[in-house]
Amino acid sequence: AQSVTQPDIHITVSEGASLELRCNYSYGATPYLFWYVQSPGQGLQLLLKYFSGDTLVQGIKGFEAEFKRSQSSFNLRKPSVHWSDAAEYFCAVVRGGYNKLIFGAGTRLAVHP
Amino acid sequence: GAGVSQSPSNKVTEKGKDVELRCDPISGHTALYWYRQSLGQGLEFLIYFQGNSAPDKSGLPSDRFSAERTGGSVSTLTIQRTQQEDSAVYLCASSLEGLSGSGSEQYFGPGTRLTVT
Repeated sequence: AQSVTQPDIHITVSEGASLELRCNYSYGATPYLFWYVQSPGQGLQLLLKYFSGDTLVQGIKGFEAEFKRSQSSFNLRKPSVHWSDAAEYFCAVVRGGYNKLIFGAGTRLAVHP
Repeated sequence: GAGVSQSPSNKVTEKGKDVELRCDPISGHTALYWYRQSLGQGLEFLIYFQGNSAPDKSGLPSDRFSAERTGGSVSTLTIQRTQQEDSAVYLCASSLEGLSGSGSEQYFGPGTRLTVT
């Protein structure tokens, strides 16, 4: 089935440590790719998006993501995590010709001081 | 400017009652989306409006769910004869244009938390 997979339901890192959140998709053609963050009691905020071109995408709050076509992946990274990054992170795709986001199940990030 | 607003922020209703959820998109945004976020199903697309085109209703889970968008702006999601499985956070989003062409960013509202007792 066509889907978006975030293998890690929950991740805990120490403040200042690096972070990588995984995302894989299973669509025939490369979709548009997005990462959103949802803080407790907050709405969804777009961190970054990939449509085409440079496979390394820079986003807000110091996040970046790399698209790897051969692995159908779009992993999110941050070199040094801050306590305020604790939130739930969602990978999402838009298939060509469609107008809806298809979300992964989300990864909840906890940050230890 | 103002973001996407939704009302009410919380709604508790009894099983079998009808509810209406409201969404005010960002002014000038032609595209409007409804999503549902629940523990069991995650984030799911419900319906998409774009200008005067027929809406994409492919995500509505049953015929108890309907939505309209009046005057190309405000949208109302209606759930008839609510069931306990309808309990979720209903999120509205808007974008300047549709996603498939330009990939316009979707801006999400804070959501309406619906609890069916």
